[in-house]
Amino acid sequence: NAGVTQTPKFQVLKTGQSMTLQCAQDMNHNSMYWYRQDPGMGLRLIYYSASEGTTDKGEVPNGYNVSRLNKREFSLRLESAAPSQTSVYFCASSERGADQETQYFGPGTRLLVL
Amino acid sequence: AQSVTQLDSHVSVSEGTPVLLRCNYSSSYSPSLFWYVQHPNKGLQLLLKYTSAATLVKGINGFEAEFKKSETSFHLTKPSAHMSDAAEYFCVVSEPPGGSYIPTFGRGTSLIVHP
Repeated sequence: NAGVTQTPKFQVLKTGQSMTLQCAQDMNHNSMYWYRQDPGMGLRLIYYSASEGTTDKGEVPNGYNVSRLNKREFSLRLESAAPSQTSVYFCASSERGADQETQYFGPGTRLLVL
Repeated sequence: AQSVTQLDSHVSVSEGTPVLLRCNYSSSYSPSLFWYVQHPNKGLQLLLKYTSAATLVKGINGFEAEFKKSETSFHLTKPSAHMSDAAEYFCVVSEPPGGSYIPTFGRGTSLIVHP
């Protein structure tokens, strides 16, 4: 049982390049989330998916797109990276109702945009 | 609408002394409340959670928190700090169905433990 996995662990991009961050969970959770973490800002929600086939914007969605590929996988895409997107990105999953919304987090992806 | 405020961005203690990390929340419902811990360069891990059962909640590694509805607080405590407790701590509020069930995170409190 791997929990929540994220790839890659670290990435360097040039301004304007694109990339996709991958996330997968093996806990059969319905809900999945993408957050970014910046110093002094806590975790800010980018997008979430309450169930397979649905996605919704969070607090800071601009510059990002997401795909809920199936129940296990939730990817985050940067179409044209900007230095302001330098951050640590965390994927999380949870099960609504059961386990009272405890979120399980991946290890994070550290992204540097030059 | 829900919100959470962590009252201290940094807390510094000596090893063996008590720890207090403060959290106030705002919610239109009876919320679930959580504390997560993040060690350097790691993901977040659940410390403990309150879900309308006992108001004093015990978590892992000797931490506990008390839900005080009248004060809208959910402060995290530990009787005796250990060096391994040095980490970032996040208070989180989540509302039940009918409310905004998307969790809201505080900005975090960095716990520094001196030898």
